[in-house]
Parts: sequence; C-alpha cells; structure tokens
Amino acid sequence: GAVVSQHPSRVICKSGTSVKIECRSLDFQATTMFWYRQFPKQSLMLMATSNEGSKATYEQGVEKDKFLINHASLTLSTLTVTSAHPEDSSFYICSARAFGLAVLTDTQYFGPGTRLTVL
Amino acid sequence: KQEVTQIPAALSVPEGENLVLNCSFTDSAIYNLQWFRQDPGKGLTSLLLIQSSQREQTSGRLNASLDKSSGRSTLYIAASQPGDSATYLCAVRSNDMRFGAGTRLTVKP
Repeated sequence: GAVVSQHPSRVICKSGTSVKIECRSLDFQATTMFWYRQFPKQSLMLMATSNEGSKATYEQGVEKDKFLINHASLTLSTLTVTSAHPEDSSFYICSARAFGLAVLTDTQYFGPGTRLTVL
Repeated sequence: KQEVTQIPAALSVPEGENLVLNCSFTDSAIYNLQWFRQDPGKGLTSLLLIQSSQREQTSGRLNASLDKSSGRSTLYIAASQPGDSATYLCAVRSNDMRFGAGTRLTVKP
C-alpha cells in the first residue's frame, strides 16, 4: 500500500531556531505534496502545495519566507519553519498525491504528522 | 474557494446507537470526498473514499453517501462502540483537499 512517512514525529525547540520536517512517500512517486497545519481542536488547514521541481504555492496568510518548502524529488518534500516562535507550535501533516501503477493514482495519502512545540 | 462544514461539532451517544454525521460543501465540482478518523494527538486514518461518480461506499459498520449536486455527504455508523470515539473529518478534493472542522464523537459504554 501507499505509505507516507514524516520525520521527526515530535520536536521541541527554542524560540528563534529553525526546524526541518521531512515528508517521504515510501513506495510510490508523488508529483505533488501538500502541507497542512492543525491547531488544537481545530481542523487541518492547507498551508501550501508543492510540485516536484518547482516553487510551492502558498495559501493566503501563510508566510513563504517563514515556512520554506522544498520538493526536490518525487519522494521527498521538506518544510522548514524558520525562526520559530511559540505561536508556530502546531501539528504539521503532509500528504502526497500518488502517481503510478501500484497505487490508486491521484489519491492523497497522509503522513502521521509532526508535533512541533516551540518554547 | 471550497468551504466544508460539518454538523454537529460534537456528539455523545450511548453504545449501540446508530448515528449520522453530516458534511456539506459549497462547490459541487469535486473529484472525490473522503472521511477520516483522527484520534487525539494522532494523524489521520482514512475510512471511506467516494469518487464524484459514486453515490456511496461501505466498509463494515460504516456507510458514506454523497450527493454532489446538493453538496452533501453523510457518514452513517451502525451499532456504535466506545472504540469509535474519535474526531471524524470530512475532506473534499477539488484542485486540492479541504477539510471540515470535524465532529468529535464520544460513545459511552
């Protein structure tokens, strides 16, 4: 089946530092990956859409210079939270849109999420 | 911009009851609609995926329906169990996937 992994699953950092979160599609290629953010007791909010080899498209209100997204290969996208502040503390979930024969094409598969706590 | 609404926001039922969760969306031009389950502090578990050409999908005690023209979907859970307690999210896929705010379900033993 299609599996999306995220690393790390949990990170605690000091205010002002940068944190990188990796999202990998383990057994399929993903031309498009999505990053979501979820605050406590709220739903998932789309932050940005990234296509392999091109710049990410950010949703309104999401600072592209703060949330750096790199989608350098068909199986890896990274989200870097730069100069993190306590208000960036959230649950970050990535998803990958599958492309290929072994999985249901054009279906989004979700990673397990990364819990970021900024002190 | 697609907007997804879920009603009710929270629901508490005794074990064994059948229940219905509702999802509505504003733009009927969708590829598919998906229901997820999320346990506290955890990621998403996909429950049912309904393609735009389909009317319903069933998996065990779960049945999801889709009425694309009216912008509605329901998730029916039969014979609810305490283990069904979780937040249920509805997500609609157009160019991207948009989520509702979820229904927090509690099934009391």
